[in-house]
Amino acid sequence: AQKITQTQPGMFVQEKEAVTLDCTYDTSDPSYGLFWYKQPSSGEMIFLIYQGSYDQQNATEGRYSLNFQKARKSANLVISASQLGDSAMYFCAMREGGSSNTGKLIFGQGTTLQVKP
Amino acid sequence: KAGVTQTPRYLIKTRGQQVTLSCSPISGHRSVSWYQQTPGQGLQFLFEYFSETQRNKGNFPGRFSGRQFSNSRSEMNVSTLELGDSALYLCASSFGSWETQYFGPGTRLLVL
Repeated sequence: AQKITQTQPGMFVQEKEAVTLDCTYDTSDPSYGLFWYKQPSSGEMIFLIYQGSYDQQNATEGRYSLNFQKARKSANLVISASQLGDSAMYFCAMREGGSSNTGKLIFGQGTTLQVKP
Repeated sequence: KAGVTQTPRYLIKTRGQQVTLSCSPISGHRSVSWYQQTPGQGLQFLFEYFSETQRNKGNFPGRFSGRQFSNSRSEMNVSTLELGDSALYLCASSFGSWETQYFGPGTRLLVL
């Protein structure tokens, strides 16, 4: 079974509008972390935001916020006021606890976001 | 602080050859993880090194190996290259094994 599911292969958004990228996850581990990364066409993965499973509040980093719904196992990324430079591939990733998962991120398939002027 | 650096950035090899990729982590980071990214399989975890010890390994054949040096720099080696090894290889560093990972620009490997 997929541990991280991103159901939107591609999305368009108008410049200056907000956009939500979906991510659902599957784990039985009570301790886990959720991450969002941005990958421009150059290939480098850029860290955007992190949410821990025990965090009570949704994480925010500038124009990025993470809509964390633990019961539904979803961790959607919200980008406010989209900019042309936001056009990229976005990956949701999870880190589970336990020694067998040390240093390991599990990634979804990604969502390609295109911002229209 | 300088980011994660990877060398070389691009590499072309032929089947059967071997290749070594290098990764220099952010200063002070002791954990280095490696990932393979392909269009078909997406991003897959290869292995993680911490303090010169491999602490975790993904589901890859033994042709894929790595090591870490005392300055936390890491190398990964792929022997007997196959066409399917063509991929973007990303390394990521973090302060500890459970901290946020910061990625390098990647090495694009093409096997002909």
